[in-house]
Amino acid sequence: NAGVTQTPKFQVLKTGQSMTLQCAQDMNHEYMSWYRQDPGMGLRLIHYSVGAGITDQGEVPNGYNVSRSTTEDFPLRLLSAAPSQTSVYFCASSLAMTSADTQYFGPGTRLTVL
Amino acid sequence: DAKTTQPTSMDCAEGRAANLPCNHSTISGNEYVYWYRQIHSQGPQYIIHGLKNNETNEMASLIITEDRKSSTLILPHATLRDTAVYYCIVRFNFGNEKLTFGTGTRLTIIP
Repeated sequence: NAGVTQTPKFQVLKTGQSMTLQCAQDMNHEYMSWYRQDPGMGLRLIHYSVGAGITDQGEVPNGYNVSRSTTEDFPLRLLSAAPSQTSVYFCASSLAMTSADTQYFGPGTRLTVL
Repeated sequence: DAKTTQPTSMDCAEGRAANLPCNHSTISGNEYVYWYRQIHSQGPQYIIHGLKNNETNEMASLIITEDRKSSTLILPHATLRDTAVYYCIVRFNFGNEKLTFGTGTRLTIIP
């Protein structure tokens, strides 16, 4: 299993540009989520999905859209990038959303918005 | 509102046991204690979790006090590769409860 994969690893955008961060997992996990991590801070939840066709907002959803058309993929879209979205983005997945399940994280995407 | 309190940073000598404390005085009966760590520039990695009994796996041991208001993560023989930020997280075991990361403890293993 490749686990959780994220592309691209690095990205530089100009203010106002749009882009999609890709996340895929091959573990047949139902639950997937996106976090952002700013320097010196912990991870903050952006959006999450408990299964294909179901998404919900996390702690900091503004400026981001998600969709979950398949179990494997959970892309994160920035419609109009802003410098405040400069961050490291992590995708995570777990078998289900109960406390007994551990989350597996991808390697991250480092995004800079100029 | 922070559910957990951890020291900002700690040092530990290589080969010694690293003991990382966490206070969670408002924990409820259905909340588990989870530990994750994040090595520089990588995604967080699951370490261990427990409800009320002490737990041990190949990575670490988790000691939870009887009143469940605090816990300690123990890395029995710390190596330089254990240098990381360690996050203590409490989480309910039902519904759509999510992991909420704080700022964690930065553990530095000293040669």
